[in-house]
Amino acid sequence: SQQGEEDPQALSIQEGENATMNCSYKTSINNLQWYRQNSGRGLVHLILIRSNEREKHSGRLRVTLDTSKKSSSLLITASRAADTASYFCATDSGGYQKVTFGTGTKLQVIP
Amino acid sequence: ETGVTQSPTHLIKTRGQQVTLRCSSQSGHNTVSWYQQALGQGPQFIFQYYREEENGRGNFPPRFSGLQFPNYSSELNVNALELDDSALYLCASSPPQGMSTEAFFGQGTRLTVV
Repeated sequence: SQQGEEDPQALSIQEGENATMNCSYKTSINNLQWYRQNSGRGLVHLILIRSNEREKHSGRLRVTLDTSKKSSSLLITASRAADTASYFCATDSGGYQKVTFGTGTKLQVIP
Repeated sequence: ETGVTQSPTHLIKTRGQQVTLRCSSQSGHNTVSWYQQALGQGPQFIFQYYREEENGRGNFPPRFSGLQFPNYSSELNVNALELDDSALYLCASSPPQGMSTEAFFGQGTRLTVV
């Protein structure tokens, strides 16, 4: 079963615009990670935010975490065509490092 | 490139057959996890191996089994294949516990069961 759900399921924007994806999860977590997947290939780790952090930046990426609402958002600024991919949030609730993935947001950036 | 390699990249099997998928973990990583990703879905956790022992299992039947070797590479075996087993199988390796929980994924094996 999926721990998280991303919203929206699909997003289409013009190059240069910002893209925001949201993730909601069900149980308490140690950390939350965002991954990118191109065309059904392997996942690429983007950013990890710990449960005691509220915001984190990495290049054009900004992630926020609200543990009271059990939600996170990923903002990609100044999007590029190369950002076209599926984006997944993944939660780690501790124990044996099992990471549980959400359902994904499919982002299309139109040149 | 993550340093995690999976083989083969694509595979076609017949219902009822058995399949073995392989994964070489990134250097220094002693934990390997396997995921099944059906088309249009997020990856689903199958199981994890730590120091050659199964260290957690998702909601998958016993016909899904695995191994981890002393060099931390791993195999996923699926017996009595069913059509619904068609999916992308992803392997991820992680550093020793206590370090970052970031997982490094291979490119996956696309399994088609006909």
